[in-house]
Amino acid sequence: EVHLAESGGGLVHPGRSLRLSCAASGFIFDDFVMHWVRQAPGRGPEWVSDISWDSQTIHYADSVKGRFTISRDNAKNTVYLQMNSLRHEDTALYYCAKEGKILDHWGLGTLVSVSS
Amino acid sequence: AIQMTQSPSSLAASVGDRVTITCRASQGVRTDLGWYQQKPGKAPKLLIYTVTALEDGVPSRFSGSGSGTDFTLTITSLQPEDFATYYCVQDYSYPWTFGQGTKVEVK
Repeated sequence: EVHLAESGGGLVHPGRSLRLSCAASGFIFDDFVMHWVRQAPGRGPEWVSDISWDSQTIHYADSVKGRFTISRDNAKNTVYLQMNSLRHEDTALYYCAKEGKILDHWGLGTLVSVSS
Repeated sequence: AIQMTQSPSSLAASVGDRVTITCRASQGVRTDLGWYQQKPGKAPKLLIYTVTALEDGVPSRFSGSGSGTDFTLTITSLQPEDFATYYCVQDYSYPWTFGQGTKVEVK
């Protein structure tokens, strides 16, 4: 059974950094593209970033480009999201998701709150 | 970025009703269109991918249709567990974009 477990969220001041992790199990991790999607309170999901199996192809939403960095460690079955220069508008529940048939499995999410 | 516009933003329906939700893309997305269901406090759940394909375990009362820029999610006979918010998403081009959601509420 596929399982995705996000961690690393928390309350931070604007301008600070956080690193999210997503531990995967139940599938061959390095066969799949992995994504981060966020959802602000009361809003719909917003796609953030994705990374190919070999880390060679990466995409970002314009809203995070230059501030967020996605990476993965296939030996640890883990994908990361390094978030720098955080803004109030980055406050959201951050999900990691596996790309199979589109995004077919999601974690429970980790909450990031950016507030002064 | 491709904009995805859903309508209506909310609707009230009764158990047994046929429900139709539409999603319009600002430009063509071929068949790279999916639908998700989300309940409060839960992650989105995949219902349909590539416009018409039903995800494993999803009841057959859910169906998708459309092409190009106009797509539809239909629930043929609404069940109590179907009251939720539904989102379309395009994975045709980056950035992937979601619709703003359609909340299906009890009438």
